[in-house]
Amino acid sequence: QKEVEQDPGPLSVPEGAIVSLNCTYSNSAFQYFMWYRQYSRKGPELLMYTYSSGNKEDGRFTAQVDKSSKYISLFIRDSQPSDSATYLCAMSANDYKLSFGAGTTVTVRA
Amino acid sequence: DGGITQSPKYLFRKEGQNVTLSCEQNLNHDAMYWYRQDPGQGLRLIYYSQIVNDFQKGDIAEGYSVSREKKESFPLTVTSAQKNPTAFYLCASNSRGVYGYTFGSGTRLTVV
Repeated sequence: QKEVEQDPGPLSVPEGAIVSLNCTYSNSAFQYFMWYRQYSRKGPELLMYTYSSGNKEDGRFTAQVDKSSKYISLFIRDSQPSDSATYLCAMSANDYKLSFGAGTTVTVRA
Repeated sequence: DGGITQSPKYLFRKEGQNVTLSCEQNLNHDAMYWYRQDPGQGLRLIYYSQIVNDFQKGDIAEGYSVSREKKESFPLTVTSAQKNPTAFYLCASNSRGVYGYTFGSGTRLTVV
């Protein structure tokens, strides 16, 4: 079993819809949770960062962490074609190393 | 502007050949990382370095080597011992106490 599980999709939604992405993990030591966005043939860029459990909102993006269920989510409201990308969840314990999910490919149809 | 520069963008390797991927950062970050990305498998850690002249193996270090002689530079050599090197290679960096990475734009390596 992988340390971080993420459904690779692909996920296709119409413009304006809510995109819902999630990851599960097995390591209870994880405390730092991140979401990265990766456009085709580019390096990932940090989208959201959350420490421990709770919600964090940044514009159209909301990240949720439920440590009791070992489950994290990312919601994208009012999705745009420019949101079409691969979204990677990542997490770490108390050192520098990140563990990544496989990534979910999202397409927003105009 | 500060960032991470990876070169070359595309690299072709012949069987039995060693190749070196370059990674340079001007962010004054302490730690640097090399990841390999394959379709459907996410990012897998090859090597990482938290300080100059010191580095540790990641999950898939076999067939790879690195050096960290300068804070700004962390080159990765893909040796002939790596039997399946075709992949997208990503270099990243961060600072002590900061848990998000800054990534480079990647190098796509293909065996010909």
